Order: sequence, then structure tokens, then C-alpha cells
Amino acid sequence: KQEVTQIPAALSVPEGENLVLNCSFTDSAIYNLQWFRQDPGKGLTSLLLIQSSQREQTSGRLNASLDKSSGRSTLYIAASQPGDSATYLCAVRPIISGANNLFFGTGTRLTVIP
Amino acid sequence: DTGVSQDPRHKITKRGQNVTFRCDPISEHNRLYWYRQTLGQGPEFLTYFQNEAQLEKSRLLSDRFSAERPKGSFSTLEIQRTEQGDSAMYLCASSPFQGSLNTEAFFGQGTRLTVV
Repeated sequence: KQEVTQIPAALSVPEGENLVLNCSFTDSAIYNLQWFRQDPGKGLTSLLLIQSSQREQTSGRLNASLDKSSGRSTLYIAASQPGDSATYLCAVRPIISGANNLFFGTGTRLTVIP
Repeated sequence: DTGVSQDPRHKITKRGQNVTFRCDPISEHNRLYWYRQTLGQGPEFLTYFQNEAQLEKSRLLSDRFSAERPKGSFSTLEIQRTEQGDSAMYLCASSPFQGSLNTEAFFGQGTRLTVV
């Protein structure tokens, strides 16, 4: 069974710092990997989708990389802002017959201090 | 397009009561998913529809849970005889069909269920 791990579980940084969130997965047979943001008590907002054939995707201050062979992805946030405070979740869609779902990590709770 | 819509946003119910949640996916998305998320955990898959067909159910979906998508548009998730362990955020997601499973999933705001 695919397992997804996110380290660290929580991270606190001062405003303006660049930071990296880590995601690892046990089975490299995936269609894609998706990064989400979740504010307290809210649903998930999709940030970036990386296809299995891609190495990275960028959106504004966010850059996500994927190393499928080693089962790792990173989310880089440049020049962090207090509004970036949220929980960040990564999820993979495995290539398994009959598997039509995403496997999620437990998230990294980010706090950006003004 | 207003995204995935879920109703209600919050539900408090007494143990033993039945509850029903609704999800309206992004229009023209023929794939619809239900997930459950407990505090401090990532979402866990419950069930998946392609159009009106329920193609996959997780072992998490006990006999007390039933989901429908009668016309391939909105979906409902019903929990019968609720238990305190059912307290969680129930999330709905949809994605388009583009010939493969390699598509982006879009989530709603969730329904938070509290069983007292």
C-alpha cells in the first residue's frame, strides 16, 4: 500500500524567509503528485500538480519538484508571508488497477510570523 | 464555474441519528470522490463515482454509509445510526475525464460532522 510521509509536521518561520516542505512516498508508480493548502476548518485548495513525467512545476512564489525514482517531492515557498500560514498536504495518485483515489500525507502546519 | 460545493458546511447530530450530505461537483466533471478527514490527519478515501456508477469503495465505508450519484451530477453521502467515531470532516472532490486518471482533483469546503 502506498504510504505518504511529510516532514516536518510543523514549521514556524519569520516573514520573508524561503522555506522547503518535504513529501516522500513509498511506491514510485504514480500518475501524478499534487500539493494542497488547507486553512483551519476549511477544504483543500489545489496549489500545484506535477505529472509523473515532469520534474517541477511553478506557480508564483511556489515551486514544486518531483523525484519519482527516489519517491520524493519538495514544495519551495519563496519570500514567505503571514498569509501563507496554513497546513500543506501532498498527495499521490498511484498507478494501481482499480485505484481511483489519492493517498495523502498528514501535512505540514506552517506558521509565518510577522 | 463556482467550484465544488458541499452542503451543509457544519452538522451537529445526536448519536444514532441519520445524516445526509450533498456535493455538487464542478460542472462537466464526471469523476466524483468522497474523503473523510479526522483532526491532524490527511484525508482518507471513501468512495469514487464515474458518472452515476460507483466504481470503488474503501473498507472505511461501513454498511452504515451509502453514497449515490443518481444522474451523474450531484452526489449524496448518507450515514445511518451515527456514532461518535463518525465525527470528522467529509470532503468531496471532482476531476474531469481526460482519457486517464492523470488529472487534477478539486476539493470542496467540506462538511464538518459532530456526533454528540
